[in-house]
Amino acid sequence: DAKTTQPPSMDCAEGRAANLPCNHSTISGNEYVYWYRQIHSQGPQYIIHGLKNNETNEMASLIITEDRKSSTLILPHATLRDTAVYYCIVRATGNQFYFGTGTSLTVIP
Amino acid sequence: DVKVTQSSRYLVKRTGEKVFLECVQDMDHENMFWYRQDPGLGLRLIYFSYDVKMKEKGDIPEGYSVSREKKERFSLILESASTNQTSMYLCASSKGTATSTDTQYFGPGTRLTVL
Repeated sequence: DAKTTQPPSMDCAEGRAANLPCNHSTISGNEYVYWYRQIHSQGPQYIIHGLKNNETNEMASLIITEDRKSSTLILPHATLRDTAVYYCIVRATGNQFYFGTGTSLTVIP
Repeated sequence: DVKVTQSSRYLVKRTGEKVFLECVQDMDHENMFWYRQDPGLGLRLIYFSYDVKMKEKGDIPEGYSVSREKKERFSLILESASTNQTSMYLCASSKGTATSTDTQYFGPGTRLTVL
């Protein structure tokens, strides 16, 4: 599976959009981009995933660049409960999930 | 909603004890997984199962065994607990189809301390 690169930490003001970047320049054509988050001392929570089209659900939006070498997770109106570690994972269907160190997002009141 | 539950949130055991961690999922998923999570090391796969009575080793199976007698239940066993098995243990399940919806859903985790 392709390796991902994420900034180690980010801050976001409450109520503003949080934009979390992820680089995956070695992604293959059959690999999906997944986003999970982990609130302190809890299990990872699935957020969203996509292949090449942008995706949106009730939690977030996923924007994947045309060359698929990077993506951005957008939390449109961040709340204090969105403070968590966010993991960007690239994997082909059926392969393991490899969680890196992720981005620690702190939402500031 | 997918529900994955784990038998304990916190567990304290002594070195040499046999430890059972239980995981139950309620969505009729084929696949189940056990990970451990340690600071700076991310999540590491211990064992997984694609079907009842089937098991496959993950990246770090040493010191662990598993049991899957029923589809909804996947147990992780530490035959003789050691202090280096102090960790957060996470169970996950997935539908098991070869499609893009093969998303893994995680339980709340069990924080095991071995003294």
